[in-house]
Amino acid sequence: QVQVGESGGGVVQPGKSLRLSCAASGFTFSRSGMHWVRQAPGKGLEWVAVISSDGRRKFYADSVKGRFSISRDDARNTLYLQMNSLRAEDTAVYHCVKDRGAEAYGMDVWGQGTTVTVSS
Amino acid sequence: EIVLTQSPATLSLSPGERATLSCRASQNIHSYLAWYQQRPGQAPRLLIYDALNRATGIPARFSGSGSGTDFTLTISSLEPEDFAIYYCQQRGDWPLTFGPGTKVDI
Repeated sequence: QVQVGESGGGVVQPGKSLRLSCAASGFTFSRSGMHWVRQAPGKGLEWVAVISSDGRRKFYADSVKGRFSISRDDARNTLYLQMNSLRAEDTAVYHCVKDRGAEAYGMDVWGQGTTVTVSS
Repeated sequence: EIVLTQSPATLSLSPGERATLSCRASQNIHSYLAWYQQRPGQAPRLLIYDALNRATGIPARFSGSGSGTDFTLTISSLEPEDFAIYYCQQRGDWPLTFGPGTKVDI
């Protein structure tokens, strides 16, 4: 069964850091582009970042560029999102998402998400 | 960045009726548009990719059309489980962006 599952969310103070992880199973992780997409409470979807299957290409939303970093460990079938200098507006459910191709061709498997709350 | 506009914001229909949802891009994105469904309390699900291709396991009552800047998602006959929020998303340029969503309710 193809699935992804996030962990690492929690409550963090503004300006602090947090690292999210995403464990993948049931598919060839090293062949898939992987995304992070977030959803603030009661709001719509916001794409955050993508990493290509070979890890060489990474793209970010303007709202997180320079603060967040996406990475992958194919040996562990795990995706990461390092979030630094967190702000209140980063509060959201963060979904790990598998792409149907090697980069950004369509987000076909979604995790249930992990909640990040940035508050003092 | 490419801005996606979805209309209407809310669509009130009955089971069995036809739903037509619109997504307009601020610039030409060719056929690089996807549609997602999000039911309450659930993660989104890919319905359509590249404007008209149904994703694996998606029923035939869902269809997509359009190219350039104007796109449509059609649900031919609404089932009770189709009442949800629908988002379009473009991959024509970085950064990837989503539309604000259309809520289909009873």
